[in-house]
Amino acid sequence: EAQVTQNPRYLITVTGKKLTVTCSQNMNHEYMSWYRQDPGLGLRQIYYSMNVEVTDKGDVPEGYKVSRKEKRNFPLILESPSPNQTSLYFCASSARDSGGGDTQYFGPGTRLTVL
Amino acid sequence: GQNIDQPTEMTATEGAIVQINCTYQTSGFNGLFWYQQHAGEAPTFLSYNVLDGLEEKGRFSSFLSRSKGYSYLLLKELQMKDSASYLCAVIGGYSTLTFGKGTMLLVSP
Repeated sequence: EAQVTQNPRYLITVTGKKLTVTCSQNMNHEYMSWYRQDPGLGLRQIYYSMNVEVTDKGDVPEGYKVSRKEKRNFPLILESPSPNQTSLYFCASSARDSGGGDTQYFGPGTRLTVL
Repeated sequence: GQNIDQPTEMTATEGAIVQINCTYQTSGFNGLFWYQQHAGEAPTFLSYNVLDGLEEKGRFSSFLSRSKGYSYLLLKELQMKDSASYLCAVIGGYSTLTFGKGTMLLVSP
């Protein structure tokens, strides 16, 4: 089954404790991205990756890091989480970037709470 | 910059027709998506428009006017399960994808 998986699905942590949210897709997609979703603000892109070893900042990259060492995986790293990073996070992938009209497939989401 | 506007909330009755509007002002335009998102779940693809006109898919249709910076999603024969948030997303220059804040649709019996 074609899918995007994220782990963990739920996480409660404390300020400053490094964490990683994993994202994996089995569709051989080149393009992957991370979004955060907050009430009243909608989905905002954090980082995206056009292919292996190619990443770039989205609209709200501060406080986040990503890596793309393999095509299928695109982990999101919070080196020193802060309460303002409490949010619902989605990973997404598509065959190419959105310019070609390829729809993005979203993972199930990770609900992160930073105390 | 990118600016996408959608109504925050709409209500409609089961069996009715509802139109959700989206206006946009973006740096470049390479297409527009509509997604559906149920509470606590991931967005799922509904439609993609890149040329002017109406695209029909069953009970859902989407319209685009590039000259007016305007799109709408039309939902017919509304069902209770259509209660969800509907997200308009525009592909701007450099293939960046920007989402609107979403329209929460509540369908009542």
